[in-house]
Amino acid sequence: SAVISQKPSRDICQRGTSLTIQCQVDSQVTMMFWYRQQPGQSLTLIATANQGSEATYESGFVIDKFPISRPNLTFSTLTVSNMSPEDSSIYLCSVAGGIEAFFGQGTRLTVV
Amino acid sequence: KNEVEQSPQNLTAQEGEFITINCSYSVGISALHWLQQHPGGGIVSLFMLSSGKKKHGRLIATINIQEKHSSLHITASHPRDSAVYICAVQYGSNYKLTFGKGTLLTVNP
Repeated sequence: SAVISQKPSRDICQRGTSLTIQCQVDSQVTMMFWYRQQPGQSLTLIATANQGSEATYESGFVIDKFPISRPNLTFSTLTVSNMSPEDSSIYLCSVAGGIEAFFGQGTRLTVV
Repeated sequence: KNEVEQSPQNLTAQEGEFITINCSYSVGISALHWLQQHPGGGIVSLFMLSSGKKKHGRLIATINIQEKHSSLHITASHPRDSAVYICAVQYGSNYKLTFGKGTLLTVNP
């Protein structure tokens, strides 16, 4: 199994600012993902974080808005840039290990 | 379009009741996950299924591949079971998941 530490657990931010969310895994994993859950909606994949190369973004998500770093096999960051109230969501880090999926505790972001 | 449908959206039960949450999907999958989301947003993986049935404590998950349907059962429900239960599916060897909207379960004492 993999244990994921995601920080911060919650934050309230001013519009126009940026927030960086960290995801630390206790073991090396190949696949790391970032998801967003808008209020009342299902989780949606933002991107796959690739170690040593640019993240792979899903349709509707762009690097300028959601830059992602993956410097090694145990750590990744997601930045939510130039925030607006529409970015208020839960952001979730997930990893795949073997045949199972593991999840962080989530970051509840409120933009005011 | 690959869709995951859950029912019911909301479920209120009395302590001790038997709970069933359903999940249907539209195309063939390699695996199905049942997840539990707590009010703070954190998610815990309950089961991963590719066939048959799994049991863990009071939780039972079943999947029917031919009918593209899975159920999550909770026996002798307890207020601490109150959470959002999410079904998610996996296609092929791709670890990316497609999620249902979740079922909000409230168990009253």
